[in-house]
Amino acid sequence: DAGVIQSPRHEVTEMGQEVTLRCKPISGHNSLFWYRQTMMRGLELLIYFNNNVPIDDSGMPEDRFSAKMPNASFSTLKIQPSEPRDSAVYFCASSPGQGAQNEQFFGPGTRLTVL
Amino acid sequence: AQSVTQPDIHITVSEGASLELRCNYSYGATPYLFWYVQSPGQGLQLLLKYFSGDTLVQGIKGFEAEFKRSQSSFNLRKPSVHWSDAAEYFCAVVPRRGNKLVFGAGTILRVKS
Repeated sequence: DAGVIQSPRHEVTEMGQEVTLRCKPISGHNSLFWYRQTMMRGLELLIYFNNNVPIDDSGMPEDRFSAKMPNASFSTLKIQPSEPRDSAVYFCASSPGQGAQNEQFFGPGTRLTVL
Repeated sequence: AQSVTQPDIHITVSEGASLELRCNYSYGATPYLFWYVQSPGQGLQLLLKYFSGDTLVQGIKGFEAEFKRSQSSFNLRKPSVHWSDAAEYFCAVVPRRGNKLVFGAGTILRVKS
């Protein structure tokens, strides 16, 4: 299996632009997680899907952030409009079963820079 | 307050030396406990986990961790470190009544030859 696939690996954009991050989970996994990693705040869970349904989005910073999972093999995280403080590495992870206690398999991350 | 604490931001050990990375948690009930490793430019990989039972847990890459309820600790150990172990190590928990993986701040391990 190719593992969790994220695209793009790097994104540089200007403040105010829309940014879309993409994730393909491991086939057969039915939980998907989006995390953000920054020096100041460490690793934070943004949103958690189970069977394509958002279960917990309490970590989404504000309305500028939205996430979708239209099917079991694809998820997006969108930031609109982007701001410099959104600069971070964004990770997608997937796991079998339901619940965060199952092993999570992380993608390589998308490094976002907002100028 | 509920928290996961990794008191050491950086640790440097010589290749071949033993390693212990500390992790303490503060939760009412013992949470599910994990150690993840992040190599530079990579995602995270699970090293080991503890849910219940034997308090000494074996993981991948020669790592082990010991759960000590009395100390609310879950320290990671390796008897002999290799240069390839240089990475950032994260202790993480899932509260028994929660559905979030909560990470500590991480410990950066440097290995000197």
